[in-house]
Amino acid sequence: AQTVTQSQPEMSVQEAETVTLSCTYDTSENNYYLFWYKQPPSRQMILVIRQEAYKQQNATENRFSVNFQKAAKSFSLKISDSQLGDTAMYFCAFPPNTDKLIFGTGTRLQVFP
Amino acid sequence: DTGVSQNPRHKITKRGQNVTFRCDPISEHNRLYWYRQTLGQGPEFLTYFQNEAQLEKSRLLSDRFSAERPKGSFSTLEIQRTEQGDSAMYLCASSPKRAEGQETQYFGPGTRLLVL
Repeated sequence: AQTVTQSQPEMSVQEAETVTLSCTYDTSENNYYLFWYKQPPSRQMILVIRQEAYKQQNATENRFSVNFQKAAKSFSLKISDSQLGDTAMYFCAFPPNTDKLIFGTGTRLQVFP
Repeated sequence: DTGVSQNPRHKITKRGQNVTFRCDPISEHNRLYWYRQTLGQGPEFLTYFQNEAQLEKSRLLSDRFSAERPKGSFSTLEIQRTEQGDSAMYLCASSPKRAEGQETQYFGPGTRLLVL
């Protein structure tokens, strides 16, 4: 079965610090894409970053970067220089050989001043 | 703003009533998806369209649920004879057609349904 697991229901970090959110997944596919989405309180879900599995280089978008370990099926999100606006639910997701996304249960991140 | 829009944003109904939600995708996107999100969970796939064709439906989509996308533009999701277990956030997303699984899905703000 294709699954996505986020083992950290809640995380907290102080402003300007770095935090890493973990995600593991299970698939028998070789080529696929992985996504991190952010859902702020009462606001819509937006894409944070995406990784193509056939690329060895980890994706980076400004303060957001991933640590993609294909053999371990691990896809963690690192947020550097955390800001108050980063407070949100973060979901790891991937589309296993179809277009529908399978999401993890999410990690609630709270950034404290 | 030309993002995905959904209406209504909130809906309160009594058990047994029918409800209909609308989603307007990003104009150049020909794929449209519906997901359901319950409190504390990630979204779960319900169904998706490529243009006007409904290509896949989840087992979560019981006979009381029906979705349409006439003319490949906006989509509607109807729930008949609502039950309290239908209370959830219903999310719509759209993406342009590329190879499977490659395209980012852009989400709307969702419709929050409460069935009393």
